[in-house]
Formats: sequence, C-alpha cells, structure tokens
Amino acid sequence: DGGITQSPKYLFRKEGQNVTLSCEQNLNHDAMYWYRQDPGQGLRLIYYSQIVNDFQKGDIAEGYSVSREKKESFPLTVTSAQKNPTAFYLCATGAGETQYFGPGTRLLVL
Amino acid sequence: GESVGLHLPTLSVQEGDNSIINCAYSNSASDYFIWYKQESGKGPQFIIDIRSNMDKRQGQRVTVLLNKTVKHLSLQIAATQPGDSAVYFCAETSDTGRRALTFGSGTRLQVQP
Repeated sequence: DGGITQSPKYLFRKEGQNVTLSCEQNLNHDAMYWYRQDPGQGLRLIYYSQIVNDFQKGDIAEGYSVSREKKESFPLTVTSAQKNPTAFYLCATGAGETQYFGPGTRLLVL
Repeated sequence: GESVGLHLPTLSVQEGDNSIINCAYSNSASDYFIWYKQESGKGPQFIIDIRSNMDKRQGQRVTVLLNKTVKHLSLQIAATQPGDSAVYFCAETSDTGRRALTFGSGTRLQVQP
C-alpha cells in the first residue's frame, strides 16, 4: 500500500450523518477506485475515476458520492442515504489494468 | 451476472508444503487476471498477474496457471510459510473501458507450523 494513504483508519458514523473518507496517492496514477468489502466477502466497486474531473458509478454507487478535483485525491462521502454503511472501504489506484490498494478505512455505525 | 468465484473457502496446509488455490471464472471475455493477498485488517496486496494469451507465469515462490478452456485459474505457492497465511482473492477484468476488477469471495489459507 506504499504511495496510497487512507484516513482515518477507523470512522464512526451516527445515524443520518454524512462522513467522508480520504484517499491520497503519490504514484501519479490516473485511475482511482473505491471498493467496499463486507466480512468474508470479496470487493465490490462503488465509484471509479479514470481522469481528473471525471468519475463513474460502479456496481453499488447508491448512497455514496465522490469528487476528483486533483489527480492525487479521490474522497468518498458516505451519505445518510446509505442505510447499511458498516464495511471496510478500500481505495485503489490503477496503472493499466493492475490496481494497487490502500490500507483501508473501517466504517462503523453508532 | 457473470462472476469470479473460488472452489474452497479455507485451505489448511503444513509449513513447507506447496499450496494450490483455485478460482473459476465465467466470463469468456476476461483477458486479465490478478491474484491478491489480504491479511486481516489490511488492504489487498498484489501478488501476480497473467494475461489471457499466457498459460503460466512464475514469480518468487508463486506460479499462476490459466486454463481458458475450462475458465480456471490457480495460484501455486511453493514451500508455504506461516507468513503466507491470509485470504487470497482472484480478480479479473474484461471491461477495458472502465478497467475495474471483479473479485471472487476469497480463500483463506492457514499454514500450520
């Protein structure tokens, strides 16, 4: 996960609250991705961005929003519309088809 | 929908033995595959990749085999060590437009000392 940082490591959300997860990279990769991982399961794509100022919905985008104002940053907001936000959130960057992951943020609901 | 899956949820091996982790995929258009290792509470770590125009690729102590006829992928780990204990995922891409990966549910490898 060198070159990709995610913060915070743990995040607690109160009901009805929006929270933002940070993802920063210094690998100079154009593409960035957000995945959600539930216990004992694989990763599911939330949003992705292949270039600055452009992003696309993944397979489970409902209740989430993103922005890509800088190449280095791809923050994910978990909105109050996401009714089951408890999960491990992973950010990745892409060099061609290969993707490299950050250390993850675990989101818990109070 | 089409998916990537794994045959065995848990694999237990003795230290020093070889490990084989299997993965089946259903999308015949898949053209690129990756194996990741994920330790508890951490992000997936890239292990090795292979393109569909290859049958075999070797890395350090790891080998990936691809059988396109039966849509099967395997990861072989030689001389398995306790540090190899983790969950292993295969992932594939077939949509070159979005270049996003489709993941299987993972296999847990437990190495017994």
